[in-house]
Amino acid sequence: GAGVSQSPSNKVTEKGKDVELRCDPISGHTALYWYRQSLGQGLEFLIYFQGNSAPDKSGLPSDRFSAERTGGSVSTLTIQRTQQEDSAVYLCASSVMGSTAYEQYFGPGTRLTVT
Amino acid sequence: QKEVEQDPGPLSVPEGAIVSLNCTYSNSAFQYFMWYRQYSRKGPELLMYTYSSGNKEDGRFTAQVDKSSKYISLFIRDSQPSDSATYLCAMSENSGNTPLVFGKGTRLSVIA
Repeated sequence: GAGVSQSPSNKVTEKGKDVELRCDPISGHTALYWYRQSLGQGLEFLIYFQGNSAPDKSGLPSDRFSAERTGGSVSTLTIQRTQQEDSAVYLCASSVMGSTAYEQYFGPGTRLTVT
Repeated sequence: QKEVEQDPGPLSVPEGAIVSLNCTYSNSAFQYFMWYRQYSRKGPELLMYTYSSGNKEDGRFTAQVDKSSKYISLFIRDSQPSDSATYLCAMSENSGNTPLVFGKGTRLSVIA
């Protein structure tokens, strides 16, 4: 079946502009995660949704970052007033119960470059 | 000290070699240990996961967990050029929906 999809695949923006990144999870997956992968860094957790609510926003690096999820499906990550340090690959994952634990399945990511 | 440490490599091996990839961690509450494979410019792909200590085998891949040493390993037997990728370890404290804590990944090249 269809996997997690993200759009756009690449985004180049000027410092100070706002950007929106979209994630379409696998159908039926109720949980959705956003992570960020910077050069030389591992994946860093940003925010987690269960349904439309976000019980864990602890990874959002500043108040310039926000996310929402509607209809228990599509999620949008918004970065306001982008800075060069926001340049990274933003990855979305949705999860489903596996044999003994919830398994997270990742999309291809959005590569954000702030110039 | 980061919660999960992983040697970034790069690691280069000849085709057919046995590859050993490792992570150490500091949080003794971690119970679930995952390995992801990430090809260049793609998202991470879940390879396998284990609960607590012990071994798990899936084809050419074997995952090992030693909780007493806070050390996990992924072994790849008969490595192939198609195994060339970055391998990420990840961990969580429980089986529920919870954010994963990742290592930085080890870049592996298998040379034909």
